Amino acid sequence: QVHLVQSGPEVKKPGSSVKVSCETSGIIETYYGIDWLRQAPGQGLEWLGGISPNFGSPKYAQKFQGRLTFTADESTTTVYMELTSLTYDDTAIYFCAKEWPTGSPFPFEYWGQGTLITVSS
Amino acid sequence: QSVLTQPPSVSGAPGQRVTISCTGTSSNIGTPYDVHWYRQFPGTAPKLLIYGNTNRPSGVPDRFSGSKSGTSASLVIAGLQAEDEADYYCQSYDSSLTAFVFGGGTKVTVL
Repeated sequence: QVHLVQSGPEVKKPGSSVKVSCETSGIIETYYGIDWLRQAPGQGLEWLGGISPNFGSPKYAQKFQGRLTFTADESTTTVYMELTSLTYDDTAIYFCAKEWPTGSPFPFEYWGQGTLITVSS
Repeated sequence: QSVLTQPPSVSGAPGQRVTISCTGTSSNIGTPYDVHWYRQFPGTAPKLLIYGNTNRPSGVPDRFSGSKSGTSASLVIAGLQAEDEADYYCQSYDSSLTAFVFGGGTKVTVL
C-alpha cells in the first residue's frame, strides 16, 4: 500500500523560506514522479511542479521559477519542496502527490495529507 | 483565475443525475491530452475519481462517468447520494503553459 506522509504545519514570516517533506512508502515502480500542488484557503488546486526521485530532473511551473526547489533523498524515499521569498499569497495547504504512469498527462493517484503553511508577520 | 472553467456549484435531489462541465481551450482540453477528475471532502486531500477522460480507478462506483469532446469535458454523477456532497475538480495539461492545469472546482450539494 502506497503512503505519502508530509511534515507538519508551519508559520513563516514574509521574506523567509519553508521546506516541506513528503516521505513515501510502498512504491514498487522503479521510475515514478512526485508532484507538489497547493490550495489557498477556499480556493482551487494549483500545480507547482514535480520531480522523479530516481532521475532528479525537477520540473517547475513557470510562475515559481527561481523560488522553488525540489530535492529527493533516495535512501529515505523522501522528497522535499523548498519555497523561498514567501509572501502572504503563499499561505496555503501544500500537497505532494504520486503520479500514476498511465495516459498523458499522468493523473495523481496517491496524495499526502497536506501541510498548512501560513505566512504571517 | 483557473485555466479550466467549471460551474461554482451544482445541486440535485437524491437519486437525480447531475453533470459538471469543464471547459478549456485548444491548448489544453482541445488537444489529445487527457482530462482527469478528483473529488475532495473538506479538510482532506483530493482523490482521483476519473482518469483518462472516461476511466474509473478501482473502487470508484459506476455512478461516476466522464467524457470529453472538443474543448470540454464532463463528469456525470448518476443516482446522486448524500455522500457525494463534495468539491469536484477537473485537470488536464496545457501545452502553451507547459503545466498541469485545474478547474476552479464545483461544489455538489445534495438537496
